[in-house]
Amino acid sequence: AQSVTQPDARVTVSEGASLQLRCKYSSSVTPYLFWYVQYPRQGLQLLLKYYSGDPVVQGVNGFEAEFSKSNSSFHLRKASVHWSDSAVYFCAVSLYNNNAPRFGAGTKLTVKP
Amino acid sequence: EAAVTQSPRNKVTVTGGNVTLSCRQTNSHNYMYWYRQDTGHGLRLIHYSYGAGNLQIGDVPDGYKATRTTQEDFFLLLELASPSQTSLYFCASSSGPSNERLFFGHGTKLSVL
Repeated sequence: AQSVTQPDARVTVSEGASLQLRCKYSSSVTPYLFWYVQYPRQGLQLLLKYYSGDPVVQGVNGFEAEFSKSNSSFHLRKASVHWSDSAVYFCAVSLYNNNAPRFGAGTKLTVKP
Repeated sequence: EAAVTQSPRNKVTVTGGNVTLSCRQTNSHNYMYWYRQDTGHGLRLIHYSYGAGNLQIGDVPDGYKATRTTQEDFFLLLELASPSQTSLYFCASSSGPSNERLFFGHGTKLSVL
């Protein structure tokens, strides 16, 4: 079975600052890894995903994430945040054998003007 | 863009009541999922399906039944609703297992009084 932990329930940053949201996973094999974003009263939307290859994967709106097998992590980054990035961000993990994705508890990002 | 439509958007019922949440996707996806979202827990998997007539048990199935009548339609049934089932429910679909992105509906907010 797989699981995912997002240790930070809330993160606040100033507009223009850099951002890192943390995600740690637990799995006996390298899983598929995803980051989703949820804007108020909406469903989740995919930012990026990773399974193999270059450990740094690019996503939409300037987001990227870095996979680390040694640390079992898949942290999300952005070089310069905008107020519109304020949302809840979810890390998700699934395995290759027809396995449904499991989500972390989410990190609520607030970008101060 | 895949379309996933949930109904109703909001539902209020009383303890012991009977509730059906509906989900329809119009992109010929085989895989459909029901999640509930609660503060501090993120999204938790209730039930999922690989196709019409198929049902798989998720991580928090107690008190819920699901039925996949067609490729398009996936229903979540609460036959004796309890206040602990007050939550935001999301339906999602995907074209394949594990490594494919999920497309989410806008959610159904259920209150059990």
